[in-house]
Amino acid sequence: DTEVTQTPKHLVMGMTNKKSLKCEQHMGHRAMYWYKQKAKKPPELMFVYSYEKLSINESVPSRFSPECPNSSLLNLHLHALQPEDSALYLCASSQAIGGGSYNEQFFGPGTRLTVL
Amino acid sequence: GQNIDQPTEMTATEGAIVQINCTYQTSGFNGLFWYQQHAGEAPTFLSYNVLDGLEEKGRFSSFLSRSKGYSYLLLKELQMKDSASYLCAVRDRKAAGNKLTFGGGTRVLVKP
Repeated sequence: DTEVTQTPKHLVMGMTNKKSLKCEQHMGHRAMYWYKQKAKKPPELMFVYSYEKLSINESVPSRFSPECPNSSLLNLHLHALQPEDSALYLCASSQAIGGGSYNEQFFGPGTRLTVL
Repeated sequence: GQNIDQPTEMTATEGAIVQINCTYQTSGFNGLFWYQQHAGEAPTFLSYNVLDGLEEKGRFSSFLSRSKGYSYLLLKELQMKDSASYLCAVRDRKAAGNKLTFGGGTRVLVKP
């Protein structure tokens, strides 16, 4: 299994809603990532988890709350979002963090989020 | 910080060759990746360079010159399905974690 899966594929939510994005991988990777991508822009890193612990938070607003329940799962909890948060949210995983060899990141298909 | 530049758009004809350049500035270079991203889809890994020289994978090749802060992705025998964005991403050993910084992406349009 060399796949990163994400659910849901599409999500529409109001500014007062609470929703969660889910990501799963079964490649034995110990690093998982959340990225935000706006149209025609590159992915922007939000969070990095290493061995289920938060390693990097790129100064993301607290209305985004990540969670890593186990080594295969990564969630992103959303609350009180703004319309400008509408974007494609990508999850990725890699064997580990740090350099060395490829250690490339495998990306999931993303969740397209629209905040009304 | 890092600065990664690549052209915004390129157009080429089916069967031709296209070269996408990427220049970067980073204090602790630790590898350069090329990803392909079709519209509305996830980026997929194409190539990795950490030493100078050319890496070839079928119709795709990637070149790196660390002294010049320069890489290119060469797409040969272009096919219509190669129409996509191509992202150059640099890893910095001085950045926490396995952080990749992406360039703005180059949209390649392949015409019949």
